[in-house]
Amino acid sequence: NFMLTQPHSVSESPGKTVTISCTRSSGSIASNYVQWYQQRPGSSPTTVIYEDNQRPSGVPDRFSGSIDSSSNSASLTISGLKTEDEADYYCQSYDSSNHHWVFGGGTKLTVL
Amino acid sequence: QVQLVESGGGVVQPGGSLRLSCAASGFTFSSYGMHWVRQAPGKGLEWVAFIRYDGSNKYYADSVKGRFTISRDNSKNTLYLQMNSLRAEDTAVYYCAKGFQGIFSWGQGTLVTVSS
Repeated sequence: NFMLTQPHSVSESPGKTVTISCTRSSGSIASNYVQWYQQRPGSSPTTVIYEDNQRPSGVPDRFSGSIDSSSNSASLTISGLKTEDEADYYCQSYDSSNHHWVFGGGTKLTVL
Repeated sequence: QVQLVESGGGVVQPGGSLRLSCAASGFTFSSYGMHWVRQAPGKGLEWVAFIRYDGSNKYYADSVKGRFTISRDNSKNTLYLQMNSLRAEDTAVYYCAKGFQGIFSWGQGTLVTVSS
């Protein structure tokens, strides 16, 4: 079993770049794909990154994902921030040892 | 386009039961694994259960194992979640979602409130 840890909140100005981290507590971050979900207030989640660094169609290329084995973490980077990017972001991965799906606690992004 | 429409939520007393449904359209339902994910008020996302495309394997979060049952009817393009022995901590919006290791599509959610 592992946990995914995210910062509770981040903030940045419009036009800037922000990176949200997601650290895996045990086992290799590269063992299973990491996904990222965006949830705007009052809405359902939507997928912005899947399989570590793939963007679904319709997601702007301002959104990018990566993993770093040295820090055992995944990152979501949003460049050219817009006010519409203000949302909660969740990372998620699959625990193949017990067939459980694990979510990070979520990060609230404020664009001000 | 993919549509997932949940129904069946409502208010139920502790110890009671409820069955959620999720009507799927816009994709070949019988070819995809499906999840239930919930979100308690003001809290984060919590995975609840998964069922393989053909119903051959089902997996549950420890918090619901033995109380909840996930199932599907591929002839009706519908996913179900039977929830028994409900507790106050099961109060949440329940989302139906399509995918396997990752989730690619989400429904709008249905609210379940467990309260006396």
